[in-house]
Amino acid sequence: AQSVTQLGSHVSVSEGALVLLRCNYSSSVPPYLFWYVQYPNQGLQLLLKYTSAATLVKGINGFEAEFKKSETSFHLTKPSAHMSDAAEYFCAVSAYTNTGNQFYFGTGTSLTVIP
Amino acid sequence: NAGVTQTPKFQVLKTGQSMTLQCAQDMNHNSMYWYRQDPGMGLRLIYYSASEGTTDKGEVPNGYNVSRLNKREFSLRLESAAPSQTSVYFCASPSGLDQFFGPGTRLTVL
Repeated sequence: AQSVTQLGSHVSVSEGALVLLRCNYSSSVPPYLFWYVQYPNQGLQLLLKYTSAATLVKGINGFEAEFKKSETSFHLTKPSAHMSDAAEYFCAVSAYTNTGNQFYFGTGTSLTVIP
Repeated sequence: NAGVTQTPKFQVLKTGQSMTLQCAQDMNHNSMYWYRQDPGMGLRLIYYSASEGTTDKGEVPNGYNVSRLNKREFSLRLESAAPSQTSVYFCASPSGLDQFFGPGTRLTVL
């Protein structure tokens, strides 16, 4: 079975500070892992994905995430927060089944950026 | 190329009323999914369709029905709406590991 846990439903950072959003996964097979961003009143947009190539994955808008198998983690980071980063962030894991890919989402982390 | 479109964007229903949420994709994908998003619960899969003519239950199917009308369209029906179905509904269409989301339908059941 696959699942993800996002630690911290709300995170606040100052503009220019490091952003760290935590995600731990559980998977019975090698996982595919994703981070999505949702801006207010919009759908989900893919930030980055891990597909078993490089463990450090770079995404859009300066975000990156590192896959750590020993820690079953896939934390999202950005060196310097910008006001436009304020949004909801979802970690997800995918597993392939005989009816296609199933995606399992975390409960989300709301990021607030303080000027 | 519009990607995934959903109608309506907003809807208010009274308890017991029925309605159908429409979703269409123009990417020629085989799979389509319906999720609901609730505060503090992330996205939960309601139903999915791996290909035209097939549908399967997801995590939270109770109170919903779906129809995969053709390869492009996948509708979600609430036969007798309940306040617990107040939510934001997202249609998505994956292709391999890439998942494309619609803009969502915000449904309120009074």
